[in-house]
Amino acid sequence: DIQMTQSPSSLSASVGDRVTITCRASQRISTYLNWYQQKAGEAPKLLIYAASSLHGGVPSRFSGSGSGTDFTLTISSLQPEDFATYYCQQSYSPPLTFGGGTKVDIK
Amino acid sequence: QVQLQESGPGLVKPSETLSLTCTVSGGSTNTFYWSWIRQPPGKGPEWIGYIYYSGSTNYNPSLKSRVSILVDTSNNQFSLKLSSVTAADTAVYYCARHRSLAGHFDYWGHGTLVTVSS
Repeated sequence: DIQMTQSPSSLSASVGDRVTITCRASQRISTYLNWYQQKAGEAPKLLIYAASSLHGGVPSRFSGSGSGTDFTLTISSLQPEDFATYYCQQSYSPPLTFGGGTKVDIK
Repeated sequence: QVQLQESGPGLVKPSETLSLTCTVSGGSTNTFYWSWIRQPPGKGPEWIGYIYYSGSTNYNPSLKSRVSILVDTSNNQFSLKLSSVTAADTAVYYCARHRSLAGHFDYWGHGTLVTVSS
């Protein structure tokens, strides 16, 4: 199985901050990396697919980068509605696996 | 707009079989891939398996011996059966769609909590 490791596991930030979350794969996965946002009591929502493509309707302050084993999700200017948990997920090879999550809360 | 809705018992006894159905509206199960994903309380998501519209399946090896996923294209539904459940199977269960084998989950159901307890 491909292991996905996210860091940090949690962070505190203020509205307007630039936030960066990292995801590392245990083996090379090209750009088969997706990012999701999950709020309490809700299903995950797709933000970024194929490492850097913005899903329809997702604000442009979200961006993704990386290839191979190292990937990054960036929120350029954190908004109140962005406080949530973020997960990366590899779609390179079954079993499809998720990272452990990064919880972003209010500083 | 594609919508997915999970349905099934919210409480299952240990050693019994968990059965859930996902009903798809606004789209057809006659194409794409359809997955089950679960999330134990306070933990990250775990992919259970997928079924392709043709009926081919792929399961997570950690659950493979206990899982079965079927598709009913005539009713636009697909289902999950997980046998011999224990408390460790307590989780919110989601159904989701992906357009390709190596694709992202673009549509999700709201999720349904299944508790395993006597």
